[in-house]
Amino acid sequence: GIQVEQSPPDLILQEGANSTLRCNFSDSVNNLQWFHQNPWGQLINLFYIPSGTKQNGRLSATTVATERYSLLYISSSQTTDSGVYFCAVGFMNRDDKIIFGKGTRLHILP
Amino acid sequence: DVKVTQSSRYLVKRTGEKVFLECVQDMDHENMFWYRQDPGLGLRLIYFSYDVKMKEKGDIPEGYSVSREKKERFSLILESASTNQTSMYLCASRPPGGLNTEAFFGQGTRLTVV
Repeated sequence: GIQVEQSPPDLILQEGANSTLRCNFSDSVNNLQWFHQNPWGQLINLFYIPSGTKQNGRLSATTVATERYSLLYISSSQTTDSGVYFCAVGFMNRDDKIIFGKGTRLHILP
Repeated sequence: DVKVTQSSRYLVKRTGEKVFLECVQDMDHENMFWYRQDPGLGLRLIYFSYDVKMKEKGDIPEGYSVSREKKERFSLILESASTNQTSMYLCASRPPGGLNTEAFFGQGTRLTVV
């Protein structure tokens, strides 16, 4: 069936380290987004990236649609980067639902 | 900026009460969604709507209904609240399929049913 899988489920890093979060999906997509959930629960849009590469400051993302995965890179991590990162996908030729992965919980230690 | 606004950040209701969670968006998006988020289960789709008065069940619609009388507003209704509906509820909106279908979320409503 339709699947969105994120890895790793948990990641603990020291401040200043770099990290790579992965999202695998099971079918062709017309929408892929990365979100960061802040401590109050709100989902903050990081990237809308159904294909290609984008960068925003210390964050960048790459989606290789033909191989059905996306990567979120965080460089020079800061404690404020801590939280849960979600990948959310809309699949082609289906209805307009968005399916979420289970998230990666990132802990950045000072 | 797109704004999706949920009517309450925190809500406490009693078992058996009828509960309304309201969501309003200001970008004229056709699609609107209600999710609930629970520890270990991620975000699960309850209902979505692709137009006024149109609705589709998501993965966990039992115990919920929805209303979309106006394009900008999508309401989630708990007909008779139960303790297992204690959760974080998130509303989203996005344009229909095609180019640039980025979704935007409200701030969330933490509902506790006692």
